[in-house]
Amino acid sequence: SQTIHQWPATLVQPVGSPLSLECTVEGTSNPNLYWYRQAAGRGLQLLFYSVGIGQISSEVPQNLSASRPQDRQFILSSKKLLLSDSGFYLCAWSALTRRSGANVLTFGAGSRLTVL
Amino acid sequence: LAKTTQPISMDSYEGQEVNITCSHNNIATNDYITWYQQFPSQGPRFIIQGYKTKVTNEVASLFIPADRKSSTLSLPRVSLSDTAVYYCLVGDINTGFQKLVFGTGTRLLVSP
Repeated sequence: SQTIHQWPATLVQPVGSPLSLECTVEGTSNPNLYWYRQAAGRGLQLLFYSVGIGQISSEVPQNLSASRPQDRQFILSSKKLLLSDSGFYLCAWSALTRRSGANVLTFGAGSRLTVL
Repeated sequence: LAKTTQPISMDSYEGQEVNITCSHNNIATNDYITWYQQFPSQGPRFIIQGYKTKVTNEVASLFIPADRKSSTLSLPRVSLSDTAVYYCLVGDINTGFQKLVFGTGTRLLVSP
């Protein structure tokens, strides 16, 4: 079965420090991968999506970046965090297979980032 | 991409049936409708997906009228544990990729 791992679960970082959140998927190949962010009490904002290795699309201008160095690995990074980067970050994957529910998103447990 | 509109919040009591409607007026021919449930500090999880008419699984039913411009998620006999935010998404499942954007969702509060 497919599983998705996301870490770290919780992170407290000072303004201006770097960030690296990692997500890996097991049990599937060539998944579509997504990074979402959810501010406190708000909805989910799509940040990045990827259809393959090295293929990243960004949805909103920001100081965050994403990379996909391997088929099932998706990394969210920042060189210098801002206060506004605080939030709940969720990685997700989907695949076009009827058995799994085509284009159905499966989410990781999330990473809660607090920037102070 | 078809935009979705849902009520911001709904209240119910244990044991009642809850119906949450989502409007998607510009849904495309190949678009499917998918509903997710999200609890606090967790990622959303898949509830149900459909294209037209009615779909039922062990947790919910999805009603889609003939014009497909709206859909209704039906939760039978809700319990306190059904208190969550519910999102509907519309997307084409026949392509290899779909940019999946969430709307604001409906916050359901179930009271004793």
